[in-house]
Amino acid sequence: GNSVTQMEGPVTLSEEAFLTINCTYTATGYPSLFWYVQYPGEGLQLLLKATKADDKGSNKGFEATYRKETTSFHLEKGSVQVSDSAVYFCALGRNQFYFGTGTSLTVIP
Amino acid sequence: DTAVSQTPKYLVTQMGNDKSIKCEQNLGHDTMYWYKQDSKKFLKIMFSYNNKELIINETVPNRFSPKSPDKAHLNLHINSLELGDSAVYFCASSQDLTHYGYTFGSGTRLTVV
Repeated sequence: GNSVTQMEGPVTLSEEAFLTINCTYTATGYPSLFWYVQYPGEGLQLLLKATKADDKGSNKGFEATYRKETTSFHLEKGSVQVSDSAVYFCALGRNQFYFGTGTSLTVIP
Repeated sequence: DTAVSQTPKYLVTQMGNDKSIKCEQNLGHDTMYWYKQDSKKFLKIMFSYNNKELIINETVPNRFSPKSPDKAHLNLHINSLELGDSAVYFCASSQDLTHYGYTFGSGTRLTVV
């Protein structure tokens, strides 16, 4: 079946620290992979996506590479800011969407 | 212009009441969804409609009933509200899930007292 396993939080980092949020998936066929971000009190927004193996999605300094060999789509950012504090969701899309459990990130000044 | 809009944004009501949440999208998407997000941020799909036809109907109490009068609208009616129904409910739409994912509304925070 299809599923997403996401790193548990919460994660607390100092400003300008390096961020990695791990995401691995199980899928039949070749899904697309997504990262969504949910800021406090808001809905989910698409952060980045990759539709095939070895694709790299990037947006707002965040990056993730679709790794078929390790079935992973880890989210990274080189230098986080306080404004990046949010909940991050990894998701797999095929006929249906499968979300991870979300990882809460707090960035402190 | 808001792409996916939900009303109301907040809803506080007593146990046993019946309430509705409305959702409208102006993106021309064929498919709309309802998700429930619990206090731990876990997202659970409830329903999906494609062109007014129900295509996903997950295991939710039959007190929850979706209604899609046209492909731009998907409303959620909840009968006999219970404390455990308190959550944030998100509407979403998509045209091509694999390539573009969802567009979400901003959510309706339902509190049952």
